[in-house]
Formats: sequence, C-alpha cells, structure tokens
Amino acid sequence: NAGVTQTPKFQVLKTGQSMTLQCAQDMNHNSMYWYRQDPGMGLRLIYYSASEGTTDKGEVPNGYNVSRLNKREFSLRLESAAPSQTSVYFCASSEGGFSYNEQFFGPGTRLTVL
Amino acid sequence: AQTVTQSQPEMSVQEAETVTLSCTYDTSESNYYLFWYKQPPSRQMILVIRQEAYKQQNATENRFSVNFQKAAKSFSLKISDSQLGDTAMYFCAFMSRLGTGANNLFFGTGTRLTVIP
Repeated sequence: NAGVTQTPKFQVLKTGQSMTLQCAQDMNHNSMYWYRQDPGMGLRLIYYSASEGTTDKGEVPNGYNVSRLNKREFSLRLESAAPSQTSVYFCASSEGGFSYNEQFFGPGTRLTVL
Repeated sequence: AQTVTQSQPEMSVQEAETVTLSCTYDTSESNYYLFWYKQPPSRQMILVIRQEAYKQQNATENRFSVNFQKAAKSFSLKISDSQLGDTAMYFCAFMSRLGTGANNLFFGTGTRLTVIP
C-alpha cells in the first residue's frame, strides 16, 4: 500500500497563477484533509472532507477551493496564487466516523509563490 | 478554541540519554485525544504516540512514553535511550472532533530535537 500520495512534491508559481495539488489514498478512508505548514508553526487545517461528496472549511480556507473527486482523491486548488500562500501543504486521511481516528499524512508539497 | 503550546523551540540530548519534551494545551472538552508526531528532514509526519484523555494510564511505545496530567493539561513526551534517528522536529497535537464525523488536529509550534553522537 502506498498510503497517502501527493503530487507534485515541489512547485514554484508566479503571483496570480493557478494550480491544483493532488492527493490520493489507498486505505479506503472516509475522511480526508488539507493542512498547511508555515515556518515556525504547526500544521493548520485548510479544508476537510468528512466523507465522499462533502467538503467543509477549516481554520484557514481563504484563497483555496477543494474537490472530493471520489473516495480516494481530494484536490486543493489555488485560483490566484499569492506570496502568502508560500507554504508546505500536507494531505491526510482517516477512517472517519464518530470516533477519534489516527490521521495518516502524505509526504507534503513545497509551494513557493514569487 | 483549542490551543497547544510547546515552550521549548530547540533541545539536544546525548545519544543513549533520556530527554523530555513539554506540551501544554487548553480545552473545554472532557474527552479528547492527544498525539506526538515526529517530522524528520524528509518532511513526513510520523505518529509517535497517542493518549486518550479518559485513560489515566500513560501511553508507552517502546522507547517513547508520555506523562499525561489531565488536570494540569500537560502532555510531555519522554524519549529513552535516544538514538541518532530520533533527530527531528516533534509536534504535540490535540484532536478535536468536527461535527460532521471528521477530526481536526491542532498542532503546537514544535520542538527541534538534536541527538548528539
């Protein structure tokens, strides 16, 4: 099992450009998440999908959109990138349901916006 | 709102020695989970240990153990017999349940641990 995979691993954008970060999991998990990690800080939740067909905002959703394409895939889109979105982005997944399930993380995408 | 505080930005320990990383949190919830994650230079987030708040017994995983003090809202990580591979950033995290059946992890700012040969 590959676990949680993310593409790309690195990306450089110019201000105003758009891009989509891809995430897939092969653990048959119901819930998926997008976090960002800024220097000197822990991870913060951007958006999450509790189950296929649902998405909700987390702590820092401004400037992002998400799509839960199917049970396996959850993408994060930056419509008009800004330097403040320079960060490392992590996708995670968990079994979901009304219990405290461990979240499994992907390897991260380092995004730089010039 | 949940907050997680790690007051030690950096620590170092000699190989084979023991080190304790501190974490405090603030919450009004009565039942929750706490986690320690390790992030080596590869960036991968790796779960080290988990503690359920309603369990009084402290969790242990091989060389890793926690000291969970619920009343004091304290959750420290002890690493025994430190190894060079333990060099990493360590994050304390509080898991809060989201109403829709998912969970949110609130992270501290991390402690960078260096194991010295």
